[in-house]
Amino acid sequence: ILNVEQSPQSLHVQEGDSTNFTCSFPSSNFYALHWYRWETAKSPEALFVMTLNGDEKKKGRISATLNTKEGYSYLYIKGSQPEDSATYLCALNPTSNTGKLIFGQGTTLQVKP
Amino acid sequence: NAGVMQNPRHLVRRRGQEARLRCSPMKGHSHVYWYRQLPEEGLKFMVYLQKENIIDESGMPKERFSAEFPKEGPSILRIQQVVRGDSAAYFCASQSMDSGNYEQYFGPGTRLTVT
Repeated sequence: ILNVEQSPQSLHVQEGDSTNFTCSFPSSNFYALHWYRWETAKSPEALFVMTLNGDEKKKGRISATLNTKEGYSYLYIKGSQPEDSATYLCALNPTSNTGKLIFGQGTTLQVKP
Repeated sequence: NAGVMQNPRHLVRRRGQEARLRCSPMKGHSHVYWYRQLPEEGLKFMVYLQKENIIDESGMPKERFSAEFPKEGPSILRIQQVVRGDSAAYFCASQSMDSGNYEQYFGPGTRLTVT
């Protein structure tokens, strides 16, 4: 059974703080890693898809890095805003670009104004 | 370009009834995935379909659950003789056939409550 682990489970920060979360996965079963942002009562929204060791992606104040050799990815949010409050999910594609995603439990971020 | 559509958004069924959940993928997408979120748990894969074919149903319970994605029309997840343990949020995601396009686009989910 493949496990994707995310930490921390939840995080409370003040507006303006920068923060980061970790996603760990088995390095021997890797094809691609996805990050999603999920607000309550909405659809999970795709943030990044990463495939290559050393990949670094950025969208506004959010960025992500990937280390496939050691099996982890970091998601960074610079200068958190209240609208960043959401659950951030990472998901592993173990076999190919089509096929099931294996999700972590998510990190729930709350940003206080 | 409309996103992935799911209906109904909320569904209440009594034990023993049937539940039918529908998913219309994004235009041009021929891959559909169903995921389930049980209370206090993360998203878990159930089944992966392409038009008229089930590709991977390794996450689907062996009994009472079935899925289809016909040539025309939405994908349907069918749960027969529902039990309380089927209460969950069911999400569908779609994906295009473009090479190199890895993204799965999610719908808003159907929240099934079994009373």
